Amino acid sequence: EAGVAQSPRYKIIEKRQSVAFWCNPISGHATLYWYQQILGQGPKLLIQFQNNGVVDDSQLPKDRFSAERLKGVDSTLKIQPAKLEDSAVYLCASSPNRGMNTEAFFGQGTRLTVV
Amino acid sequence: AQKVTQAQTEISVVEKEDVTLDCVYETRDTTYYLFWYKQPPSGELVFLIRRNSFDEQNEISGRYSWNFQKSTSSFNFTITASQVVDSAVYFCALKAAGNKLTFGGGTRVLVKP
Repeated sequence: EAGVAQSPRYKIIEKRQSVAFWCNPISGHATLYWYQQILGQGPKLLIQFQNNGVVDDSQLPKDRFSAERLKGVDSTLKIQPAKLEDSAVYLCASSPNRGMNTEAFFGQGTRLTVV
Repeated sequence: AQKVTQAQTEISVVEKEDVTLDCVYETRDTTYYLFWYKQPPSGELVFLIRRNSFDEQNEISGRYSWNFQKSTSSFNFTITASQVVDSAVYFCALKAAGNKLTFGGGTRVLVKP
């Protein structure tokens, strides 16, 4: 079974530029998460989708971050404009259903450096 | 609100020693799940174990064991006879109402040969 795919793996941009990350979850997984992991910290949830609907985006900085999940499959996360403090690894994860007992499967992440 | 605290930032051991990682959580929900994940240098978070809030029986799976104590809101994780390949960052996580998965800050484990 293919895992969660993310691209690109690395991205370097200048502050105030825009950037987009792509995630392809495991086939059939209804729940999709985007996390931000700053160096030396634990992952912080940015947004959670159930199919193509948003379940939780309470920690998403909506003035500069946006995310969508078209057709309940692939998802993109965008930052516009980027700030220095956005430098982090952006992790995408998916799980089969919305049940609490299911673990989330993670991609390898996209490492963003804002200079 | 959900919160997970891992007080140990880094643990260093010599191979074959046991390693115990502490985790304390906060939630107002009575039904929840606790998880441990491993993050090797490659960066991908790997699921290790889960425990639900209704089952306080401690378990062993291979070299991994866990101690869940609801009375102290703790979910500690032990690696027995550590190996160099166990070197990684370990995260404790909590999933409660709304299925939001909240992580602790992580504990870096360094196993020296």
